[in-house]
Amino acid sequence: EIVLTQSPATLSLSPGERATLSCRASQSVSSYLAWYQQKPGQAPRLLIYDASNRATGIPARFSGSGSGTDFTLTISSLEPEDFAVYYCQQRSNWPLMYTFGQGTKLEIK
Amino acid sequence: EVQLVQSGAEVKKPGESLKISCKGSGYSFTSYWIGWVRQMPGKGLEWMGIIYPGDSDTRYSPSFQGQVTISADKSISTAYLQWSSLKASDTAMYYCARRGGYPALDAFDIWGQGTMVTVSS
Repeated sequence: EIVLTQSPATLSLSPGERATLSCRASQSVSSYLAWYQQKPGQAPRLLIYDASNRATGIPARFSGSGSGTDFTLTISSLEPEDFAVYYCQQRSNWPLMYTFGQGTKLEIK
Repeated sequence: EVQLVQSGAEVKKPGESLKISCKGSGYSFTSYWIGWVRQMPGKGLEWMGIIYPGDSDTRYSPSFQGQVTISADKSISTAYLQWSSLKASDTAMYYCARRGGYPALDAFDIWGQGTMVTVSS
């Protein structure tokens, strides 16, 4: 089973700063990696799929990069509404399985 | 509008059975996989399993195999998650989510609002 490890667990930044979140896979997942944002009391929202493609309606300040085992979600300039928990998620084909990372909490400094 | 609408919150006793639902609308329900995700209080997301409503092909996470049953009724565009005997440790928020179509096959692009299940004596 592929394990996803996110770092840091908590990231404290101010609005306007750049956020860099990391997700490392225990073995290669090619580019089958997605990122989600979850705010308190809400369902997760898809931000990025296939490692680097923004989902519909996602602002350009969100970008994803990486392939293989190391992936990054970057928020270029934090807006107040970006403070939330972020999860990465991978898909493996054989057998069909999905795994989430443990999450990174992005909090206001 | 593409959406998934889940059934309401449930409060159950240990040993009771339960079936929660997830109704899709605004798209071809039989053409997209529907997954279920657990979130225990204050914790992260855990993938439980997934079903293709077109033919009811179902896959489970090893962690949840035998613990829950996933099904779907394509005639009413609804997927289900059920337990035969609930435990206190099943207390959690449960989300259904649509697996994206090409090229977003690796991601869940539409999520239900969640169903809170509380199991307590």
